[in-house]
Parts: sequence; C-alpha cells; structure tokens
Amino acid sequence: KQEVTQIPAALSVPEGENLVLNCSFTDSAIYNLQWFRQDPGKGLTSLLLIQSSQREQTSGRLNASLDKSSGRSTLYIAASQPGDSATYLCAVSGSGYSTLTFGKGTMLLVSP
Amino acid sequence: DAGVTQSPTHLIKTRGQQVTLRCSPKSGHDTVSWYQQALGQGPQFIFQYYEEEERQRGNFPDRFSGHQFPNYSSELNVNALLLGDSALYLCASSLRLAGGLKETQYFGPGTRLLVL
Repeated sequence: KQEVTQIPAALSVPEGENLVLNCSFTDSAIYNLQWFRQDPGKGLTSLLLIQSSQREQTSGRLNASLDKSSGRSTLYIAASQPGDSATYLCAVSGSGYSTLTFGKGTMLLVSP
Repeated sequence: DAGVTQSPTHLIKTRGQQVTLRCSPKSGHDTVSWYQQALGQGPQFIFQYYEEEERQRGNFPDRFSGHQFPNYSSELNVNALLLGDSALYLCASSLRLAGGLKETQYFGPGTRLLVL
C-alpha cells in the first residue's frame, strides 16, 4: 500500500526566503507525482505535475524535482511571498488509471 | 469554460441521516473521482466513476455510494451518517484516454459536511 509523507508538517518563514518542502513515498512504482496548493477551506489547485520519466518541472518561482528510485520529491519555492501562504499537498498516482494518494500536507505561513 | 462545480457548498446533518452531494465535471471530462478530506489530513480516495459505473473504490464502507449520469455529472450518497463523516468532500474530474487518465485531475471547491 502506497504511503506518502510530507515534511515538515508546518513551516513559518519571513517574506523573501527560499524554501524547500519534502515529500516521500514508499512504493517507487508511480505513474506521476503532483504538487497541489490548498487555501483554507478550499479545493485543490494543481501546481506542478512530474511524470515518472521526468526529473523536474518548473513554473515561475516553483520548481519540483523527482527521484523515483529513492521515493522522494521536493518542491522549491523561490523568493517566498505572503500570498504563498497555504497548505501544500503532494500526491502520487500508481498508474494512468489509478487515483491519487496524498500526503497530509505542509502548512506554509509567509510573514511580511 | 466552467471548471468542476460542486453543490451544496456547506451542509449540516445529524447522526443517522442520509446526504447527497453533487458534482459537475469540467467540460469535456468523462471521469469523476470523489475524495474525503478530514480536518488536518490529506484527501482520501472514495471511488471513481467512468461510463456510469464505479471503476475503483477506496477503503470506505458500503454506506458510501455513488452514481454517474449520462452527462458525466455525479452524486455521492452517504447513509447512516456518523460524526466521523464530517469532512470536506472533494470531486475531481479528468478525461480518460486510451493510454490512461489525462495528466491532471481538476478539483472542485468541495462540500463541507458537518455531522452533529
């Protein structure tokens, strides 16, 4: 059974800092990995998707890497802003038809 | 282009009651998945519907059932509600291709269910 762990559970940083969120998964036979953002009480917004054959994806200030063999992914946020404050969720898909297995998320607070 | 919509946004029920939640997928999508997210937890997969049939199911009791209509919209029904069913229920839609799901599942805003 796939298990996804995210570290740290919560993170508080001052504006402008670069930061790294970590995600690990127990079964390396994944189809893809996604990072989502969730604002309080809201749905999920997909940030980045990495196929199992890829090593990283970038979107603006966000960069996600994937090391499938070691079961790890990192989300790097450059020059953090207060608007980045949210919960970040990592999820893996075991096959093209399978569903997502989520971690519990990292709650990020960026203070001005 | 409307994204995934869910109704209602909030719902309060008492133990033992039954509830129906609704989801309309993103235009062009044919597959709907339902997730339950308890407070402070990541979403957990309930089941997935495609071509009006339940295709996959997570570790949820039979009290949780669903339906998909010919227009691809879907309902989630929960019978005999328990306090522990209080959660945010998320619907996600995607397009099933020959080689697998479309890359990204699009999530709706969720329905917040409170069971008293």
